[in-house]
This record gives sequence, C-alpha cells and structure tokens, in this order.
Amino acid sequence: DSGVTQTPKHLITATGQRVTLRCSPRSGDLSVYWYQQSLDQGLQFLIQYYNGEERAKGNILERFSAQQFPDLHSELNLSSLELGDSALYFCASSPLVRTEAFFGQGTRLTVV
Amino acid sequence: AQKVTQAQTEISVVEKEDVTLDCVYETRDTTYYLFWYKQPPSGELVFLIRRNSFDEQNEISGRYSWNFQKSTSSFNFTITASQVVDSAVYFCALSDGSNFGNEKLTFGTGTRLTIIP
Repeated sequence: DSGVTQTPKHLITATGQRVTLRCSPRSGDLSVYWYQQSLDQGLQFLIQYYNGEERAKGNILERFSAQQFPDLHSELNLSSLELGDSALYFCASSPLVRTEAFFGQGTRLTVV
Repeated sequence: AQKVTQAQTEISVVEKEDVTLDCVYETRDTTYYLFWYKQPPSGELVFLIRRNSFDEQNEISGRYSWNFQKSTSSFNFTITASQVVDSAVYFCALSDGSNFGNEKLTFGTGTRLTIIP
C-alpha cells in the first residue's frame, strides 16, 4: 500500500458528462501529480500541484481541470467527456523535493 | 525535451532465468533522476528504485539489480532467477532535477515481462 488513496476505483459514464476524481496523498506529502494512462498515449503527465498551487502542466486538455485543497487532497475534474478520455488516471504524491513519487491504485474511467 | 526509450515491448522467459530490461534516456539536464516502476496485472504502479545523475554506482536489491551508465545514457534493470510474481509491465522514467519542486516523470512505453512457469 503506497499510502495514496484514489476514489472511485472504477467509473463508467456517458459521453458529454462530467466526473470528479479524488486523491488523498500520503501524509505529509505536499506535491500531488496526476497522470493518464491510455493504450495509445501511454503514461502521460497531466498536472502537478504543490502545497495548493499549480506548479507544472503537461498534456492536459482544456476540458480537464484540477485543484489541491488546503488539506492537500486533490481533485481532477473531467468535463464534456469523450470516448477517447477512457483511461486509467493515476494520482501520485511526493515530499518536498528530490524524492520518488508514490502512486495510488488509479481510477479506471470508461466513457460509453 | 526529455525522452525515455524502452525498445523491448514484450519479453518472455522461463522461470529461474535471468532477464534484463533495457532503458535509454535523453535529456539536456546535467541533474536528473531515473526511476523504475512495476505495474502488476492488478494495475497499480509500484516504485522500485530512484537514482540521481551523479551516482553511477550499480545497485542490488535482492534479485533486482540496476546498471546506470551515463556514457551510453542507459539505466538497465536485471532480474536474477526470475519468478512468476515478477510478471508485470515495467516502466523506466526520468525527471528533471534542476526545476525545484517539479518532479514530473517522463515515462517510457514500458516492457511487458512474462515469466513462464
């Protein structure tokens, strides 16, 4: 168990809908990362938050947004969902600097 | 731009054989970090190792060993006496060490390792 908790584990929704994925980082970790794993794109970095502030952005679509709350948990919001958004979404957390990231078990999103 | 190449898409070996997973990376940074993660069939990503660019010492952890060579930009992973539980997809990853607080990982495409009993 990595200590990173993601909910829900599975999510099935229809095209055009909006969903929210939740992540609780390991205790004390200030950085939260979101990654998308799909068959065609592999593991792609989406966005990073550090102590409540956005720190880095990767290949994140405009339909997607995220935030990190004062208690350090994070949410990834996906809207106007398309079939191609079906993927495994991972959250990871790490301490301040220069350390490894620990990943949650992921949320498998299926858009039908 | 950073890039990680895992040329081996799939490898199958018979149990107890040794197997090496290759990883080649590209970066312009002088400070960087290399990682290996394991993704078993259950789907989670499990951290295995992290090395920084200034430490080229090879590392051994039980049946696992890693060979880091800056001269060839490679960070290879060897499993000795493989076991069925080693069956998984293994990812090599790279992060930029010069950007304080940004530890985003650039992943390779992964190598699917199957250990045949």
